[in-house]
Amino acid sequence: NAGVTQTPKFQVLKTGQSMTLQCAQDMNHNSMYWYRQDPGMGLRLIYYSASEGTTDKGEVPNGYNVSRLNKREFSLRLESAAPSQTSVYFCASTTQRYNSYEQYFGPGTRLTVT
Amino acid sequence: KQEVTQIPAALSVPEGENLVLNCSFTDSAIYNLQWFRQDPGKGLTSLLLIQSSQREQTSGRLNASLDKSSGRSTLYIAASQPGDSATYLCAVRPETGADGLTFGKGTHLIIQP
Repeated sequence: NAGVTQTPKFQVLKTGQSMTLQCAQDMNHNSMYWYRQDPGMGLRLIYYSASEGTTDKGEVPNGYNVSRLNKREFSLRLESAAPSQTSVYFCASTTQRYNSYEQYFGPGTRLTVT
Repeated sequence: KQEVTQIPAALSVPEGENLVLNCSFTDSAIYNLQWFRQDPGKGLTSLLLIQSSQREQTSGRLNASLDKSSGRSTLYIAASQPGDSATYLCAVRPETGADGLTFGKGTHLIIQP
């Protein structure tokens, strides 16, 4: 049981390049999330998917797109990277067991845009 | 809009002390509150989850309390150890609507050997 996994762990992009961050969970959770963490800003929600086939915007969605490929996988795409998107990106999923809605996080992807 | 504040932003104490980390939130309409630990360069590890109907949760040397009506939570760490050094994050889930978490900026804790 690997929990929440993310690839890649590190990435450097040039301004204007595109890339997709991958996330998968093996806990059979319905809901999945993407956050970004910036110094002095804390973690902020980018997009989430409450269930397979649905996605919704969070607090900071501009410049990003997401795909809920299946119940296990939720990807985040940067179509044209900008230096302001330099950040650490975390994927998370939530268990609804016993209606607890406890959230579990992946190890993060450290992205630098030059 | 929900805002979560954590005080202090940083704390350095000698090993063995008991300590309290504080978290406050502006909107009391929360479903639950979660405390996380983050080590440098790592992801978040869930420490304790308190449902809105609960007053406290305990795990080993950690005890978290919740006063929903006043918008406050505390994380109590007993007999601190150098291995407790990390950043501690508080986050709340809303009762309705978007179900992502709103995070505080964290308390950076250093336990001196």
